[in-house]
Amino acid sequence: DAKTTQPTSMDCAEGRAANLPCNHSTISGNEYVYWYRQIHSQGPQYIIHGLKNNETNEMASLIITEDRKSSTLILPHATLRDTAVYYCIVRVSLIQGAQKLVFGQGTRLTINP
Amino acid sequence: ETGVTQTPRHLVMGMTNKKSLKCEQHLGHNAMYWYKQSAKKPLELMFVYSLEERVENNSVPSRFSPECPNSSHLFLHLHTLQPEDSALYLCASSQTSGLYNEQFFGPGTRLTVL
Repeated sequence: DAKTTQPTSMDCAEGRAANLPCNHSTISGNEYVYWYRQIHSQGPQYIIHGLKNNETNEMASLIITEDRKSSTLILPHATLRDTAVYYCIVRVSLIQGAQKLVFGQGTRLTINP
Repeated sequence: ETGVTQTPRHLVMGMTNKKSLKCEQHLGHNAMYWYKQSAKKPLELMFVYSLEERVENNSVPSRFSPECPNSSHLFLHLHTLQPEDSALYLCASSQTSGLYNEQFFGPGTRLTVL
């Protein structure tokens, strides 16, 4: 299973863009990068995913390097409610369309007022 | 009810008890998952069901027994647990086809084994 490396923690000022990096140098050509976040003791929340191209949705943007060995999650205008642990995951496909998410330690993002 | 629900939200049990955790998804998905999150450890995938068939079992001890009677319901039967099994147990569901098959998680069951 492809592994990911993320910084343990980051701080960001409220209203600024939060840029969370992730390395996934062993990713295979057909494996997707997923980002989830977990606010204390709640279930993880899906944010965004991508394969090769940059992606944007109402929550965030995902920038994937051309060699696909790293990516950056961007929260464009961070708020206090974005304080959470952010997980970068390489999704592994299982049989019958199921999928395997291997969570690491993630990045603890703190948004400061 | 919407999304993924889990009951109970909190459970305290002795090592000789038998209990069950329940998960229900209202999203029309056909894959369901059990994860365990111990204190200060990453989420660990325990079991995966797709189309009501178990497709992954991550070397989980036999004192944990999953059951998936239909695509909307998933159970985790617990017996003779150990104190180190105390953790947050999370259920998730997903589609098995299409572009948007991200996993949706429930709120979890906080289990304490005395």
